[in-house]
Amino acid sequence: GENVEQHPSTLSVQEGDSAVIKCTYSDSASNYFPWYKQELGKGPQLIIDIRSNVGEKKDQRIAVTLNKTAKHFSLHITETQPEDSAVYFCAASTLYNNNDMRFGAGTRLTVKP
Amino acid sequence: DTGVSQNPRHKITKRGQNVTFRCDPISEHNRLYWYRQTLGQGPEFLTYFQNEAQLEKSRLLSDRFSAERPKGSFSTLEIQRTEQGDSAMYLCASSLSGGAAGELFFGEGSRLTVL
Repeated sequence: GENVEQHPSTLSVQEGDSAVIKCTYSDSASNYFPWYKQELGKGPQLIIDIRSNVGEKKDQRIAVTLNKTAKHFSLHITETQPEDSAVYFCAASTLYNNNDMRFGAGTRLTVKP
Repeated sequence: DTGVSQNPRHKITKRGQNVTFRCDPISEHNRLYWYRQTLGQGPEFLTYFQNEAQLEKSRLLSDRFSAERPKGSFSTLEIQRTEQGDSAMYLCASSLSGGAAGELFFGEGSRLTVL
């Protein structure tokens, strides 16, 4: 089955700096890669996703890159703000089967004002 | 629509007792998932339903765990003879099926503490 590794487990940045979180996956059949943000006491919320037919996707301050050959993908947050502080999870699955979605262990991002 | 709703939000029980969690998915979503999340870890897949049919169970779902979705709407997750190792956040998510899989919408979870 799919195995997703995520690094780093904790990340602290100064407000305005960029943050990068990296994930690797094992199953070459995986072709859908979402990123979820989880705030304290809440469930995970999708912030961006990418499908394997593209190498990069941007949404305002957030971007995700995918390298299918190396089986890794990354989340980039620019101009970080204190409200970006949360736990971020990457995940991988096959596009037509969310039931095989597997999550990384999470990265706790702290943005210091 | 207020999203995925889970009840209760918190449950404290003694070892050996049975507990039941309820999940009300987004109304038009026909897929429903249960995940377990322990401290410092990502969600781990437990089981999922398409309409009322339970189509997959993880090996994490021991015979003390049972899930139902009787009418293809809300779902319940029951844990019998709870153990301290069952302490975790139980997350429910829902999604649409048909065509490309899309976003999983998560509820806020039911936190279980087994004393």
